[in-house]
Amino acid sequence: GEDVEQSLFLSVREGDSSVINCTYTDSSSTYLYWYKQEPGAGLQLLTYIFSNMDMKQDQRLTVLLNKKDKHLSLRIADTQTGDSAIYFCAELLSGKSTFGDGTTLTVKP
Amino acid sequence: NAGVTQTPKFQVLKTGQSMTLQCAQDMNHEYMSWYRQDPGMGLRLIHYSVGAGITDQGEVPNGYNVSRSTTEDFPLRLLSAAPSQTSVYFCASSDGQAGRRMGYTFGSGTRLTVV
Repeated sequence: GEDVEQSLFLSVREGDSSVINCTYTDSSSTYLYWYKQEPGAGLQLLTYIFSNMDMKQDQRLTVLLNKKDKHLSLRIADTQTGDSAIYFCAELLSGKSTFGDGTTLTVKP
Repeated sequence: NAGVTQTPKFQVLKTGQSMTLQCAQDMNHEYMSWYRQDPGMGLRLIHYSVGAGITDQGEVPNGYNVSRSTTEDFPLRLLSAAPSQTSVYFCASSDGQAGRRMGYTFGSGTRLTVV
């Protein structure tokens, strides 16, 4: 998406932590999201963060938000082969969500 | 609870043909959107709707029409198919302002090839 940017590829070893980064441009975004897409499927919401939060933790997932730099990251602890997928960040504005181009995470055994 | 249902799952069209991609949701969601997904280009918004009778253009609306006569349905019409419209199309819905924490619920996609 034109307003949300992500690096395209990330490769990690099983058991390591993965960090996927995203930058967005619209400072009025109130909610920011991370979605996961497995091959041949639609997107599924993983987690969200509200713009007045700096961090949100949900089991193996940690979301960090730096509003000053408009930077969002998703950390996956103890990455497993089942985590291999495409991960999208998205912002919500005025009823529509704008998505990044997606980061393909490959987990090697 | 079926969620978001898209039909058909696969379609091959000849250049110049028209067709309608169907999308229905049974969650009484206010917001609905259509995206296309192309390799290396992520998801691009085609059209969206914030309620019955209200639609607006997204990032790539040319060649597509939508209508929202009911809360449940949001069909996408291809007026005169072109090879550049070969893509995977996703419909998504959201519970409006009240459901912002839940993000969008996606359908499983329609894979369209235009020859």
